[in-house]
Amino acid sequence: ETGVTQTPRHLVMGMTNKKSLKCEQHLGHNAMYWYKQSAKKPLELMFVYNFKEQTENNSVPSRFSPECPNSSHLFLHLHTLQPEDSALYLCASSQRLRRSDEQYFGPGTRLTVT
Amino acid sequence: AQSVTQLGSHVSVSEGALVLLRCNYSSSVPPYLFWYVQYPNQGLQLLLKYTSAATLVKGINGFEAEFKKSETSFHLTKPSAHMSDAAEYFCAVSGASAGNMLTFGGGTRLMVKP
Repeated sequence: ETGVTQTPRHLVMGMTNKKSLKCEQHLGHNAMYWYKQSAKKPLELMFVYNFKEQTENNSVPSRFSPECPNSSHLFLHLHTLQPEDSALYLCASSQRLRRSDEQYFGPGTRLTVT
Repeated sequence: AQSVTQLGSHVSVSEGALVLLRCNYSSSVPPYLFWYVQYPNQGLQLLLKYTSAATLVKGINGFEAEFKKSETSFHLTKPSAHMSDAAEYFCAVSGASAGNMLTFGGGTRLMVKP
């Protein structure tokens, strides 16, 4: 595997379910990110981790719970979601948290909440 | 605070014609600017970035962008469009605070007519 991978690629869940999204980067990077991409809205940064420590929570509802056990893996735990949470969830990584560092994105998980 | 405006949510060009995708930004500090491309059902791929070196930046797939401070612009161009360029393009600016938080524009969907 190369680059940034995300599983599953598609997920349908009911509002009372609990599920998790997984992201893995094979680039040796130290920073990882979760973004939400909704139709007709710009990409929204959700969380940032640097060396496994959360450095940014962009006022995300508590029904989204991130976990970063090491610099290569990032999870997003989901519970009691709302239909408006349906979106493409993108994971990204960068070498460090420098402003000049480009971010490398995974293919995303398409989430549908029913 | 940072912001990015992409003029034109949809742009249509003929194959072989010039591609021009517009991006204007605001930033409280000297900006770092990025262009990403997203093909259907994929994540974002970096096309090019500006990090205060040369104002004309060359990227992959024949794209380039010019940083114009006086106009607060970072427009993306390609001399001759190919059918394979059909995708959504995002301009982004890196945050002013420590850390690597990107603010994205709303995206421009490029359509290429045969």
